Formats: sequence, structure tokens, C-alpha cells
Amino acid sequence: QQQVKQSPQSLIVQKGGISIINCAYENTAFDYFPWYQQFPGKGPALLIAIRPDVSEKKEGRFTISFNKSAKQFSLHIMDSQPGDSATYFCAASETGANNLFFGTGTRLTVIP
Amino acid sequence: GAGVSQSPRYKVTKRGQDVALRCDPISGHVSLYWYRQALGQGPEFLTYFNYEAQQDKSGLPNDRFSAERPEGSISTLTIQRTEQRDSAMYRCASSIFWGAGNEQFFGPGTRLTVL
Repeated sequence: QQQVKQSPQSLIVQKGGISIINCAYENTAFDYFPWYQQFPGKGPALLIAIRPDVSEKKEGRFTISFNKSAKQFSLHIMDSQPGDSATYFCAASETGANNLFFGTGTRLTVIP
Repeated sequence: GAGVSQSPRYKVTKRGQDVALRCDPISGHVSLYWYRQALGQGPEFLTYFNYEAQQDKSGLPNDRFSAERPEGSISTLTIQRTEQRDSAMYRCASSIFWGAGNEQFFGPGTRLTVL
């Protein structure tokens, strides 16, 4: 059973456009929501993370939007660049636990 | 400084053989995690350690899988009597401390293929 559902599976965006990836969860005990970026041949690397006490967190061109009532969160990449082409994973975990539950990933391609 | 390293990077074995996968975490990191990542999927939790103590092994698929971290640093994931369904990328991660919010740094993984 997938604890975190992620969509779309793949995404193609023009350079300069906005990339949006969505995730949903069921477990209301989750209170930490990181996004990981993975390049081919590499391990996932933390990109940005949010806790449910805020509805939005922005770091540079990357923004997480969080909707606690809907149990959804999303990653927005503004002014997408070819260097952003990678697989993005959302994840969730709860205080007191240490394992991350990952989504299935979104393969982003930014076309020059 | 060096990141998380794993060896071997690729392992091809025949069904029924045992394999040992090694993880060398970032120096000083207390917590170490093992995940398995199938093609086109996100990493799936297997087990984790704080220091040398295995805190949670709820994700290990069955008793053919075991892990140890005897000196609180390097860890070994062992799969006995491998089966074709064990073929996957096995990833190790470490964090400076345990608890949600402590960034997990992932290694490059070991690609296991069971023939």
C-alpha cells in the first residue's frame, strides 16, 4: 500500500516554465514532508522540506505548498532550467519514526 | 568531505547464493538506513540503526534479509539464498542524528541482479 501518492509520473516543461509535482498522503501522523532530487546514477538528495505548521516554504526557485486539510503537498519549480531535469520524489515521515515513505517519483525534463 | 559510499556498485549473482552489501556512512553520523528501490519507484525502507543498535527492521521482507552495524559505523546488508525478486537497487543513507527533520544523505546504491 502506497503511503504517499505522487503525480504525474513524468513531466516535460519548456525552459523558463513552471514545473508542478503533486503528492497526497493518508496518514495524519505524518509531520515532515521532504522533497528529494535524483540525477541518473546518483542517490536522492534533499531539495527542500516542510512541516505542517506552515502552508508554504520557498527556497530560491523551489516552493513547497502544503494543504493540511486536503492532505496534499506540491513542489513548484519556477523558471525551470535544463539543469533541473531529474527525478523528484516526495516523501513523508512522522515524529518518533525514522523511516521515510517515498512517492513513486516524477521524471522531469526541461526542454531548452 | 566524503559522502555515503556503498560497495560493490554492481553485483550479479546466481539464484540461491548469498550476497553482502556494504555501506560506509558519513563520518560521525549516528543513524544509518537501508532502503530498496525498484526501477521506477521510490526508495522503500528496510531497516535502520542508531549507533550499533538496530532500531527498526520492520521493512525487511523476510528472514533471508539481515543487517548489522557492529561498531556503529560501517554496515552490511546480507541477503541469503537470493531469489530473482530480490533484484533491485539497494541504497544506504545516513543522518547526523535520528528523528524526522534530520536530513538523510543517500549513497549511490548497489545494483543487485539475481539471475
